[in-house]
Amino acid sequence: NAGVTQTPKFRVLKTGQSMTLLCAQDMNHEYMYWYRQDPGMGLRLIHYSVGEGTTAKGEVPDGYNVSRLKKQNFLLGLESAAPSQTSVYFCASRDPGLGRQFFGPGTRLTVL
Amino acid sequence: GENVEQHPSTLSVQEGDSAVIKCTYSDSASNYFPWYKQELGKRPQLIIDIRSNVGEKKDQRIAVTLNKTAKHFSLHITETQPEDSAVYFCAASKSTSGTYKYIFGTGTRLKVLA
Repeated sequence: NAGVTQTPKFRVLKTGQSMTLLCAQDMNHEYMYWYRQDPGMGLRLIHYSVGEGTTAKGEVPDGYNVSRLKKQNFLLGLESAAPSQTSVYFCASRDPGLGRQFFGPGTRLTVL
Repeated sequence: GENVEQHPSTLSVQEGDSAVIKCTYSDSASNYFPWYKQELGKRPQLIIDIRSNVGEKKDQRIAVTLNKTAKHFSLHITETQPEDSAVYFCAASKSTSGTYKYIFGTGTRLKVLA
């Protein structure tokens, strides 16, 4: 099992550009999450999904959109990137049996 | 809103000594408390977790204690080694209408000095 994977690993954008981050999991988990990690602020929830075709807002959703068209994939979109969105983005999925989260390797995004 | 406070933000210990990191949560309905270790440039990795029906859990040199009344839980690392150096995060989770969300602390940078 690959677990949770993320693409790309690194990306540099200019202000106003758009991009999509892809998260994939092969563990058949229903729940998937997108977090951003900034220095000194821990992990903050952007959006999450409780199953295919469903999404919901987290703590810091502004400026981001998500889609969960397939159970194994959870996409995070930035329509018009801003320097404040410079961060490391982590995707995670939740094991329903034990309630444990498994994280992807992260995407380091810089917006100039 | 829901909040998890974590202390200290940095902690330096001598190799072989013990390290304790403490977290306090605000939502009394929280019932699952994981701890993650994150090495530089890596993903958070679960190292131990505890549920609200248990007061203490131990796994080799790592233990977690939970005080539901006071709404705080702690990570204890004994006989620290240089490879324990990392950032540690606590989190609290509960189920709301079948939805599970996790609130994270702001992290503790642990340095184990050889």
